[in-house]
Parts: sequence; structure tokens; C-alpha cells
Amino acid sequence: GQSLEQPSEVTAVEGAIVQINCTYQTSGFYGLSWYQQHDGGAPTFLSYNALDGLEETGRFSSFLSRSDSYGYLLLQELQMKDSASYFCAVRDTDKLIFGTGTRLQVFP
Amino acid sequence: EPEVTQTPSHQVTQMGQEVILRCVPISNHLYFYWYRQILGQKVEFLVSFYNNEISEKSEIFDDQFSVERPDGSNFTLKIRSTKLEDSAMYFCASVGTGSSYEQYFGPGTRLTVT
Repeated sequence: GQSLEQPSEVTAVEGAIVQINCTYQTSGFYGLSWYQQHDGGAPTFLSYNALDGLEETGRFSSFLSRSDSYGYLLLQELQMKDSASYFCAVRDTDKLIFGTGTRLQVFP
Repeated sequence: EPEVTQTPSHQVTQMGQEVILRCVPISNHLYFYWYRQILGQKVEFLVSFYNNEISEKSEIFDDQFSVERPDGSNFTLKIRSTKLEDSAMYFCASVGTGSSYEQYFGPGTRLTVT
């Protein structure tokens, strides 16, 4: 079967750093994406890793280790607006296989 | 900034009825997708569409589902005979050729089957 596991919930305070982990087991793998979803909203793209290593985009960074079938999203300088659900998603051919999602709550 | 649009935002239907969910992908995008998300759960792939035909579909996408691109702008998902378990948020997404890993999602249609 195909599975992507994430912690269900993470809490942090404004200004802090938080890491959301993702372990995956899929039949195909082209890369690992991260999407943010606010309540009632659509998933919006944050980052993508096709190769091992760290990708940095502003306050967000994403890491991938293909040998460990593992990746993480690092959010720095947390803001209240970062409170949302975060999904890792494996790109398999042209479709996305989403993880279980991590709900991030940022407190003042 | 170009965006994917979907109509209606909310559709309520009775079990056994047919529904058509509509999407307008970003113009010049070539790959189109439907996903669904049952309340509180993860997003699930339904179907991908390229060059006017289905390129891949999931186990969820059975014979009661169909997709169509009736003209150069719209992309539709039809559910022939809705069931209670079809109640979910349905997202359309599209991908351009420049950065094919970034899928642009529409705002979704919430389908409620009673």
C-alpha cells in the first residue's frame, strides 16, 4: 500500500521554529511536495524536493532524504497566520499522494 | 495572478441524483486533476486528465464518475448516482508545463449528499 505519515498536531508560539516530519512508503516517487491548507481553504503549494537536501524559500525550508524515505518542513519565525494544516505529498507520475496532515497551532 | 476557479462553491443533492462539478483551470495549463477531501481527512487523488483523455485514475474513481473537457476552458466532474459517502470537498487542480511539480488548486466545491 501507499502511506505518508505525519504527526497529527504540533503547537508552537509566535517567533519559534517548528519542524513537521513526513515518512513515506509509495510505489513510485518523483519528489516530495508540501502544501498548506487553512480551514475551509484549498491546498496551496509551499515547496518541492526532487533531490536529497535542503530547499529554502523564505521562512520555509524543506528537506528530503530519499534513502530514508523521509522529509520535513521547517517553519521559522512563526506567525499567527501560519496556523493551518500542512500536508506532505509524494509526486507519483503526475498525481499527488497526500499525507495524513499536521495541524499547526501558533499561539501568541 | 491566474487562478483555478470552481462552481458551485456548495452543492446539496439527494442520494441517487446526478451532479456536475465545474472547474476552469488556469489557461495554458495542460494537466488537470480532481481530488476529494472528506471532512477532517487527507486529500485523495481521483483522476488526472491530459490531452483530452484520462491519464490515470484511482480506485475511488469508479464507473459512477466521469470527467470531461467540453470546451477549451471548462473541466467537469460528473457523479452519476450520488451516495452518502460522496459527501466531501472536491478540488480541481491544474499544472502548467513550466513547473510541473506545482499543482494549483481551486477553492473547492463542497458536495453534501442527503
